[in-house]
Amino acid sequence: GQQVMQIPQYQHVQEGEDFTTYCNSSTTLSNIQWYKQRPGGHPVFLIQLVKSGEVKKQKRLTFQFGEAKKNSSLHITATQTTDVGTYFCAVNFNDYKLSFGAGTTVTVRA
Amino acid sequence: KAGVTQTPRYLIKTRGQQVTLSCSPISGHRSVSWYQQTPGQGLQFLFEYFSETQRNKGNFPGRFSGRQFSNSRSEMNVSTLELGDSALYLCASSLGRRLGTNEKLFFGSGTQLSVL
Repeated sequence: GQQVMQIPQYQHVQEGEDFTTYCNSSTTLSNIQWYKQRPGGHPVFLIQLVKSGEVKKQKRLTFQFGEAKKNSSLHITATQTTDVGTYFCAVNFNDYKLSFGAGTTVTVRA
Repeated sequence: KAGVTQTPRYLIKTRGQQVTLSCSPISGHRSVSWYQQTPGQGLQFLFEYFSETQRNKGNFPGRFSGRQFSNSRSEMNVSTLELGDSALYLCASSLGRRLGTNEKLFFGSGTQLSVL
C-alpha cells in the first residue's frame, strides 16, 4: 500500500549542532503534517504544509515541502535537550487515515 | 476545552483474555482513529470511525475491533490476546469533515497494554 518513507531512523546530535530528517513519498501528496512525540508521551501536532515549495519556521525548526510535493524535511538548528523525542511525518492518501512515517528518534549529547 | 481522554492508562492481561479500551474525543470532534505503537513498528493504523461508521480499517486480524457511540466516544476491543499485542494504543480525534482533508489529529495519552 501507499506509504511514506522517513530517514534517518535515529539521529544522535551534539547539543548546538543542526540536523535534518526527511520524508519521501512515491506519489504526489496533497499535504504533509509533522508531529513530535516526547519520551513517554503521545504525538503532538507541529505543523502542516500544503503548498508546493512551502517553507515554514517555528523558532529553530524549519519545515519544507518539496516542489513536486513528494518529499518534505524538518531541519532543526542549534539542537537543545528540549528537542529530544521522535519526529513523525504523516500523510493522508485520501483514505480516511493519516499514515505515519517510521519516525526519527533524536537524542542529544550535552 | 478538554483533550482526548483514554482509559485505562495501563493494563496488564494474560494471553487468551480480551480487553476493551475507551476513548473520549475532544468535544465537537466526530472522527476517532486508533493506532497501535510498538518500538519496532512505529504507529500502525487500526481503524477510523465517524458518526458511528467505520470508514477505514488497517491490516490487523479480526481479533481487533472497535465501535463508536452516538456521542462520538469510541471503544476498541482485542479478543484472545497474544503476547505480540503488547503495545501502546493511541486514540486520536479530529473534526473528520472531508476525505483527504488536512485536519490535524489530537492524540490521547494512550493505553499501555502488557500481555503476559
